[in-house]
Amino acid sequence: VHLQESGPGLVKPSETLSLTCTVSGGSVINPNWWGWVRQFPGAGLEYIGETFHDRSSNYNPSLHGRVTVSIDRPYNRFSLRLDSMTAADTAMYFCVRGATQAPAHRILGAFDIWGQGVMVAVSS
Amino acid sequence: QSVLTQPPSASGPPGQRVTISCSGGRSNIGDNPVSWYQVLPGTAPKLVIYNNDQRPSGIPDRLSGSKSGTSASLAIGGLQSEDEADYHCASWDGSLNGVVFGGGTKLTVL
Repeated sequence: VHLQESGPGLVKPSETLSLTCTVSGGSVINPNWWGWVRQFPGAGLEYIGETFHDRSSNYNPSLHGRVTVSIDRPYNRFSLRLDSMTAADTAMYFCVRGATQAPAHRILGAFDIWGQGVMVAVSS
Repeated sequence: QSVLTQPPSASGPPGQRVTISCSGGRSNIGDNPVSWYQVLPGTAPKLVIYNNDQRPSGIPDRLSGSKSGTSASLAIGGLQSEDEADYHCASWDGSLNGVVFGGGTKLTVL
């Protein structure tokens, strides 16, 4: 399974960031959670949110309701929407797959496949 | 400020064993398994430990994980130059209903 992010590298303050992650070699309706993690320049990783094919979702409460992660089944991809962007949102954004153990038990906290990442800067 | 606490740096000469710690609380490490990620410069994070002490396929047994109470550790034995990277711990947090990460530890092979 391979993940590939796509989206703008530059967003203006107060605008909405929209990123897409295309899944190849697998299906978004497999029993995995699909999500997003970001890494700030020179700093640690931050969980953004995730979704499952039944439309269940979990989000980082520190993002104060600005985030939506959704699955686009026909195109075998999933997306991130982050509203009201500020300079503090400048980071490398990675799409990820939640790991599972057979038959379909989620391994909490484990993301076994990562996209290569897309750098997003917020600037006017 | 990260929810999980890691030392900012660790180091050791080739061949030595190094341990990196990760401290949390009851709602995360205390009640849930810990994962570890290796981040090499310019690359995406790579899962190296899950469920506290399990290694994904392809990860050498020089890397091992453990957990006790609200703390976890990653040990790397027989240090090699290729081990030089940032290492991040992670765990599910039942109070936040999401994954929390440590701030990362930069491992230097002297």
